[in-house]
Amino acid sequence: AQSVTQLDSQVPVFEEAPVELRCNYSSSVSVYLFWYVQYPNQGLQLLLKYLSGSTLVESINGFEAEFNKSQTSFHLRKPSVHISDTAEYFCAVSETLGRLYFGRGTQLTVWP
Amino acid sequence: DGGITQSPKYLFRKEGQNVTLSCEQNLNHDAMYWYRQDPGQGLRLIYYSQIVNDFQKGDIAEGYSVSREKKESFPLTVTSAQKNPTAFYLCASSIRAGYYNEQFFGPGTRLTVL
Repeated sequence: AQSVTQLDSQVPVFEEAPVELRCNYSSSVSVYLFWYVQYPNQGLQLLLKYLSGSTLVESINGFEAEFNKSQTSFHLRKPSVHISDTAEYFCAVSETLGRLYFGRGTQLTVWP
Repeated sequence: DGGITQSPKYLFRKEGQNVTLSCEQNLNHDAMYWYRQDPGQGLRLIYYSQIVNDFQKGDIAEGYSVSREKKESFPLTVTSAQKNPTAFYLCASSIRAGYYNEQFFGPGTRLTVL
């Protein structure tokens, strides 16, 4: 089974500052990687995913993540955050049969 | 609009009672999933179903039961055997069970057992 580690449970930043949310996974075999975002009392929404091809993937709202196979990492970055980015972010790894293994989540809080 | 609905959004039950959480999808997805979310724990898989009339236990199936009689419906019953049922429950679906298929999530049901 996969193990997904999100190294920071809380990340506070000021508006317009850059941010990096870290994610490491346990297996170096072929994997498929996802970042989901959750706003309070809501379900999860897919932010971006890595399936194959370019190791840098981008979302429509300015987030990007880079797949690093040698370091088994898939860190999420944004060069300038907004208050509306305040949410909990989950990294997930997929194996066969569609099972997703989730990290424990990182609460991003953006202060004005 | 296509999507996943979960009802109710908030549910209160007395200890010792069974309770069933509803999950319906109109996305024509084959696979459906139930997760439990607790603060600081991430999401843990309870049960999943790859196709109608078939389902498998996830990592924390004890005290829960499911059925998959229709493609669009995957109800979860929290039984009195579940020792700590208070949690946020999330239902998800994907086109089919496969590692390249993203999962779509419903809005969740917050269950509180008094």
